[in-house]
Amino acid sequence: SQTIHQWPATLVQPVGSPLSLECTVEGTSNPNLYWYRQAAGRGLQLLFYSVGIGQISSEVPQNLSASRPQDRQFILSSKKLLLSDSGFYLCAWSPNRTPILSGANVLTFGAGSRLTVL
Amino acid sequence: EDQVTQSPEALRLQEGESSSLNCSYTVSGLRGLFWYRQDPGKGPEFLFTLYSAGEEKEKERLKATLTKKESFLHITAPKPEDSATYLCAVLNGYNKLIFGAGTRLAVHP
Repeated sequence: SQTIHQWPATLVQPVGSPLSLECTVEGTSNPNLYWYRQAAGRGLQLLFYSVGIGQISSEVPQNLSASRPQDRQFILSSKKLLLSDSGFYLCAWSPNRTPILSGANVLTFGAGSRLTVL
Repeated sequence: EDQVTQSPEALRLQEGESSSLNCSYTVSGLRGLFWYRQDPGKGPEFLFTLYSAGEEKEKERLKATLTKKESFLHITAPKPEDSATYLCAVLNGYNKLIFGAGTRLAVHP
């Protein structure tokens, strides 16, 4: 069966420091991978998605970047954190079928990473 | 602009008191509607996918229904362990997944 791991679970960082959140998926090959941010009182916001190694699509301009160095590894990074980067970050995967996120492709989420920027 | 609105924002029920959560949507070309359950500090967990008006899905005390403008998540005789935030998301004709803000459900013994 497939599993998705995210770490760290909780992170407290000062403004201006770098960030690295990691996500890995096991039990599947060539998954579609996603980074979402969840803010209180708002719907999940898609930040990045990837259909393959080195292929990253950005949904919103921001202070963050994403990379996919291996098939089942997805990393969310920042060179200098802002206060507004605080939030709950969720990694997710779906089976790699065309088109991306079709009705049959169910998103499966990781446990999330709570980032607080002080 | 495509939009998903969930109501109420929060709902408090007594154990055994049935109720419904609403997800209303305005999207260009619905390709699917998803319900997720999210426990505090955890990632959302998939519950149901609905594809067309009139479709219904059931799982234990939960039943999801879909019309052309909204979906309902009916909770029959809820238990305290049903307490969670329930998220609704719709997939539009451009394959974009749009989430609602969720309904926080608290079921008290």
